[in-house]
Amino acid sequence: NAGVTQTPKFRILKIGQSMTLQCTQDMNHNYMYWYRQDPGMGLKLIYYSVGAGITDKGEVPNGYNVSRSTTEDFPLRLELAAPSQTSVYFCASSYGDRNEKLFFGSGTQLSVL
Amino acid sequence: DAKTTQPPSMDCAEGRAANLPCNHSTISGNEYVYWYRQIHSQGPQYIIHGLKNNETNEMASLIITEDRKSSTLILPHATLRDTAVYYCIVTRRSDKLIFGTGTRLQVFP
Repeated sequence: NAGVTQTPKFRILKIGQSMTLQCTQDMNHNYMYWYRQDPGMGLKLIYYSVGAGITDKGEVPNGYNVSRSTTEDFPLRLELAAPSQTSVYFCASSYGDRNEKLFFGSGTQLSVL
Repeated sequence: DAKTTQPPSMDCAEGRAANLPCNHSTISGNEYVYWYRQIHSQGPQYIIHGLKNNETNEMASLIITEDRKSSTLILPHATLRDTAVYYCIVTRRSDKLIFGTGTRLQVFP
């Protein structure tokens, strides 16, 4: 049981480039989330999904897109990378909407230069 | 707007109890108090949660005041591995978690 797996662990992008952060979970969780964490700050919710085919915006969705075609995968897309998107990105999942059951991945550290 | 107030940092000697306070004076009747922690740069980890009664599990205890306006997370015997940022979050059970800046707990030998 791998839990929540994020790839890559580190990435450097140039301004204007695009990339997809991958997130997969093997716990058959229906809820999945993307958070970002800037240095010294708490986590901010970018997008979340309550099941395959259903996504919704969180606190800071601008500049990002998501899709949820399967229960296991919830990729996060950056179309035109900007320095403001330099952050650590965490994916999480839960079975249902119970906040005590969130499991987080180990994060992706992204730098946009 | 932040729903909770936590001290930015605290120290605790190894083996002693760590008591982390959290103020949530505007908490609503259907909102829970959740505690998560983040060790170094890992993803946050669930610790404990409660509505109005005190709660205990294998990791910690949660003491909620009778008026529910504040709470304390207790790590009974802190170890060096408990050094982390601790987040107190107040939200309804099905609402999304909103993380503040938390309390950085440093456990020293």
